[in-house]
Parts: sequence; C-alpha cells; structure tokens
Amino acid sequence: KQEVTQIPAALSVPEGENLVLNCSFTDSAIYNLQWFRQDPGKGLTSLLLIQSSQREQTSGRLNASLDKSSGRSTLYIAASQPGDSATYLCAVDSSNTGKLIFGQGTTLQVKP
Amino acid sequence: DTEVTQTPKHLVMGMTNKKSLKCEQHMGHRAMYWYKQKAKKPPELMFVYSYEKLSINESVPSRFSPECPNSSLLNLHLHALQPEDSALYLCASSQNTYEQYFGPGTRLTVT
Repeated sequence: KQEVTQIPAALSVPEGENLVLNCSFTDSAIYNLQWFRQDPGKGLTSLLLIQSSQREQTSGRLNASLDKSSGRSTLYIAASQPGDSATYLCAVDSSNTGKLIFGQGTTLQVKP
Repeated sequence: DTEVTQTPKHLVMGMTNKKSLKCEQHMGHRAMYWYKQKAKKPPELMFVYSYEKLSINESVPSRFSPECPNSSLLNLHLHALQPEDSALYLCASSQNTYEQYFGPGTRLTVT
C-alpha cells in the first residue's frame, strides 16, 4: 500500500530565503507525482506535475525533482515571498487511474 | 482556461435534507473526481468518473450519490447525511489520468 510522507509538517522562513520541501513515498512504482498549493479554506492549485519518466520540472521560482529509486521528491522554492505562505501538498498516482495518494502537507509561513 | 467551478460555495443542511453539489469544467477533460477534505487533513478520494462512467468508488456510504450527466458536469447528491460528513468537498478534472485541476470547493455543514 502506497504511503506518502511530507516533512516537515510546518516551516517558517524569512522572506528571500531559498527553501526545500520534501516528499517521500514507499512504493517506487508510480506513474506521476503532483505538487499542489492550498490556501486556507480554498481549493488546490496545481504547481507542477512530474511524470515517472522525468527527473524534474520547473515553473518560475519553483523546481520539483523526482527520484523514483529512492522514493523521494523535492519542491525547491527560490527567493521566497510572503505570498508563498500556504500549505503545500504532494500526491502520487501509483495505479494510472487518477487516484492520488496525498501526503499530509507542509504548511509554509514566509515572514516579511 | 484551466477553471473548474463548483456551486454552491457554502451549504448548510439538516440530516433529513436532500441537496446536490455541482461541478463544471470546460477544458475537455474526460476524467472528473470528487474528494472530501476535513480540516487540517489532505483530500481523500471519493469517486472517479472516466468518460462519464464511474470507474472508482472508494467505498463511500450510499448517502453520497454521484452523477455525471455529460462530459462537462459532475454532481454529488446528498441525502440523510451525518454531522461527521461536514467537510470541504472538492471537485477535480484531468485529461485522462494526468494533471488534476481542482475547483474552489463547497463547504458543507450538516446540522
């Protein structure tokens, strides 16, 4: 059974800092991994999708990497801003059915 | 346009009421999803529709009844809910099983 873990559960950094969020999964046989952002009481915003054959994806200040063999993904945020404050969720699809298994999330606070 | 819309935004219902949640997308996606999210927890998958057919039911109680009338629309019919069913209900869509796009959710309170 696939399990997804995100560490740390919460993170507070000063504005301008580069930071890394971690996601690990127990079964390396995945089809894709997706990173989301969620603001309080809102829906999820898709940030990056990495297919199983890819090693990384980039969008603006965000870079996500995938190492299937070690069961890890990282989300790198460059030059963090207060507007980046949110909960970040990673999710994996292990069955190619669209069924996403989510981690518990990392709540990020970027202080001005 | 990567927008998924959900109505209503908020819903309060009694345990004997019947109500429906609506989700709509016009991105041509052929997979649509219902998730339930409790406070400070990640979303949990409830149902998946693929090409307007129910493909996954995550052992959801029968008081939740999904319906996919066409490729753009997904409904969730609610009947005889319990207070523990209070949550944020999220709809998502994707092209096949790829990147999922979520709506803003419906905040449901069962009294």
